[in-house]
Amino acid sequence: GAVVSQHPSRVICKSGTSVKIECRSLDFQATTMFWYRQFPKQSLMLMATSNEGSKATYEQGVEKDKFLINHASLTLSTLTVTSAHPEDSSFYICSASLFRRSPGRGSEQYFGPGTRLTVT
Amino acid sequence: QKEVEQNSGPLSVPEGAIASLNCTYSDRGSQSFFWYRQYSGKSPELIMFIYSNGDKEDGRFTAQLNKASQYVSLLIRDSQPSDSATYLCAVRVYSSASKIIFGSGTRLSIRP
Repeated sequence: GAVVSQHPSRVICKSGTSVKIECRSLDFQATTMFWYRQFPKQSLMLMATSNEGSKATYEQGVEKDKFLINHASLTLSTLTVTSAHPEDSSFYICSASLFRRSPGRGSEQYFGPGTRLTVT
Repeated sequence: QKEVEQNSGPLSVPEGAIASLNCTYSDRGSQSFFWYRQYSGKSPELIMFIYSNGDKEDGRFTAQLNKASQYVSLLIRDSQPSDSATYLCAVRVYSSASKIIFGSGTRLSIRP
């Protein structure tokens, strides 16, 4: 299957600092990458959708100036949490979309292993 | 109405039995359907995808799709304790080439 990596897997930072998370599709070119956040015992929350070379589309309620997304190539997207605060502590997961022309019209999403962010 | 609905569970099934997970969706034009498994503290893992009405089998897993009823299910045969996880149903919305909407997940517990 398609492999997506994420780095770092875990990060602890002080309040007010910025944290960058990288997401890479290792064995395929991803037409689209997605960033999710998941709080304990809650479901995935889509934060934004990014296509290579264009601005990310943010979901309602997600601050684009706080969560900066850069999709520089078909295999790399980054999420920067700027001026992080304790309430930003969460599990951040990226996924990459593999578009298939056959069978059927569809595109599966493959998830990275996630980054656990703790802001102290 | 949520776009993708699942019973949150927990669903408890004895080891060796068939676990049946259900999902309904609201967008009648949806074309692609996915099941993901998520262990606690881990990211989701794609188990199955299905595009056509009927059944699709892969090992112990069978996905079933009924577009007329807007219903998709996942059957797990010979359930094992290692199948205990949260199962997420996901649907690709008709209006988007790639965006997938996830249900909130069903927690499955296989009791030995």
